[in-house]
Amino acid sequence: GAGVSQSPSNKVTEKGKDVELRCDPISGHTALYWYRQSLGQGLEFLIYFQGNSAPDKSGLPSDRFSAERTGGSVSTLTIQRTQQEDSAVYLCASSQVVFGNQPQHFGDGTRLSIL
Amino acid sequence: AQSVAQPEDQVNVAEGNPLTVKCTYSVSGNPYLFWYVQYPNRGLQFLLKYITGDNLVKGSYGFEAEFNKSQTSFHLKKPSALVSDSALYFCAVRVLRMDTGRRALTFGSGTRLQVQP
Repeated sequence: GAGVSQSPSNKVTEKGKDVELRCDPISGHTALYWYRQSLGQGLEFLIYFQGNSAPDKSGLPSDRFSAERTGGSVSTLTIQRTQQEDSAVYLCASSQVVFGNQPQHFGDGTRLSIL
Repeated sequence: AQSVAQPEDQVNVAEGNPLTVKCTYSVSGNPYLFWYVQYPNRGLQFLLKYITGDNLVKGSYGFEAEFNKSQTSFHLKKPSALVSDSALYFCAVRVLRMDTGRRALTFGSGTRLQVQP
């Protein structure tokens, strides 16, 4: 597709359940990023992937969070045993190279609500 | 510490008037600076960037930004505001993280622009 695609657009789940969020980046972009945004606030970096290199997981807030990127394209962010503080908008972005001089392109996000 | 700051939570301006959204940064070396806009229930959209070259950068939707090295600022400007410009604006700077030695893109806290008709 022309842009970064995220699904689902909205997710409501009960505390303690696991959730999977999907990101389909722009074709040909080797870098893929996940961010978290709470209540229209700033962006919190979670993780990035660059080609076949080891991902930078340093922003993941706890071991309940994990992410993978299969075949250098689609990525899945998984949150296990969700907590209410996980409620936020999860944004995915991609770029041609990681943190280069080209901008990141963002999807519209997944709005996650934990009851 | 390497960082970016947006000192105003909200900026109000009348339609047709010029607007400025402020951004200051602190990085070592030459900065890569970006402005993004976010409309309700949407992701961030790229407006413009400064990497090198002319200090005045022109971007999408009539926006421009001026890179000022001595003041470490990268303010976003538009000569004549539109009601449709009302949105959340983020400044971002590429940094080198001391804890990991890897690069990252640090975002400001955002400035809400309200353009009144």
